[in-house]
Amino acid sequence: NAGVTQTPKFQVLKTGQSMTLQCAQDMNHNSMYWYRQDPGMGLRLIYYSASEGTTDKGEVPNGYNVSRLNKREFSLRLESAAPSQTSVYFCASSQGRRGRGGELFFGEGSRLTVL
Amino acid sequence: AQSVTQPDIHITVSEGASLELRCNYSYGATPYLFWYVQSPGQGLQLLLKYFSGDTLVQGIKGFEAEFKRSQSSFNLRKPSVHWSDAAEYFCAVGAGYGGATNKLIFGTGTLLAVQP
Repeated sequence: NAGVTQTPKFQVLKTGQSMTLQCAQDMNHNSMYWYRQDPGMGLRLIYYSASEGTTDKGEVPNGYNVSRLNKREFSLRLESAAPSQTSVYFCASSQGRRGRGGELFFGEGSRLTVL
Repeated sequence: AQSVTQPDIHITVSEGASLELRCNYSYGATPYLFWYVQSPGQGLQLLLKYFSGDTLVQGIKGFEAEFKRSQSSFNLRKPSVHWSDAAEYFCAVGAGYGGATNKLIFGTGTLLAVQP
């Protein structure tokens, strides 16, 4: 029972390099999310996808792009990494019922360091 | 704008003692409220949630939380803490609207340490 799977779990980049974080869920959920977690700041929403084919900005979208490849997969891309993007990134998914509410299921996180 | 405040950054309790973690929210309508727990190096796991109805909500691992609209609070409680409860706890409020999805706004977390 995999749930939400993120790859890679760890990555070190140099400033200016690009990379893509991959996320896949096997729960047939409609909605998917990317959060970043920084000490003392909790989790902040980067981008989300309410359903296949749609994406929207969250609180901190600058420097990131996303692709909802299909219903299962939602990737996060850093085109030109900066030290400020050093963080732990979490992918999550939810059933996405119309309106509010609903539990989010989280992956185990991807720890990214930008030198 | 929606927001969540967890006033306690760190809390230390003795094993077997009771626990209360505070959470205050700001939201224009009836909120959907959640408590998540994060063990070191892990993702977040849902402890409990409040959508409507009974304001005292039971969750997993013996946790409960009470929604108090008049105080804009959703405090997490446990009568007797176990060493395995040491983790970071996050309160969150549902910020989606209309046909949007279940975006959550998280608090900054409370790190719980348990003394033997």
